[in-house]
Amino acid sequence: LAKTTQPISMDSYEGQEVNITCSHNNIATNDYITWYQQFPSQGPRFIIQGYKTKVTNEVASLFIPADRKSSTLSLPRVSLSDTAVYYCLVAGSARQLTFGSGTQLTVLP
Amino acid sequence: DTGVSQDPRHKITKRGQNVTFRCDPISEHNRLYWYRQTLGQGPEFLTYFQNEAQLEKSRLLSDRFSAERPKGSFSTLEIQRTEQGDSAMYLCASTPTANTEGHEQFFGPGTRLTVL
Repeated sequence: LAKTTQPISMDSYEGQEVNITCSHNNIATNDYITWYQQFPSQGPRFIIQGYKTKVTNEVASLFIPADRKSSTLSLPRVSLSDTAVYYCLVAGSARQLTFGSGTQLTVLP
Repeated sequence: DTGVSQDPRHKITKRGQNVTFRCDPISEHNRLYWYRQTLGQGPEFLTYFQNEAQLEKSRLLSDRFSAERPKGSFSTLEIQRTEQGDSAMYLCASTPTANTEGHEQFFGPGTRLTVL
């Protein structure tokens, strides 16, 4: 499973757009890029997944450049309730998920 | 609420005791996973079931750990002779078999184990 690197922490203010970048230099051809969100004392929650270019859903966008060696999770107009740990994962055919330490996002008023 | 439930939510035990946790996945989900999470770290994979068959086990799953899914529905994770290093959040997740390319797993709220 490809290793990922993401910032340990980020701060933002309410209403701003937040971009969290993840690097995965040795991503394999069949790997997908997946992002999870986790609040304290809860299990992780799936946010978004993509393979290439751009994916958008009701909560986030995922930008993946052509070389797929990095990806950026974009959260539009964050609120205090978006304060959480965000995990970037890459996984292919293996069913198990490999989480890193994630990025602690703190949204300030 | 993802639809995956875990019981108990919290467990405090003394070193050397046995503990058992239960996970009830979303009813139509064939795949069930157990993870362990310690403070400040992401979840670590422990084991995975496809229906009642245990298909993968991590090296983290020592011989003191055993998991079952006897009827392909709920699952139990037992830890024998608990050690203080077993203190962690134990997470269960499930996913449908049809989700062959996706990695959207539905996690339960976890069971927090404290070994004194």
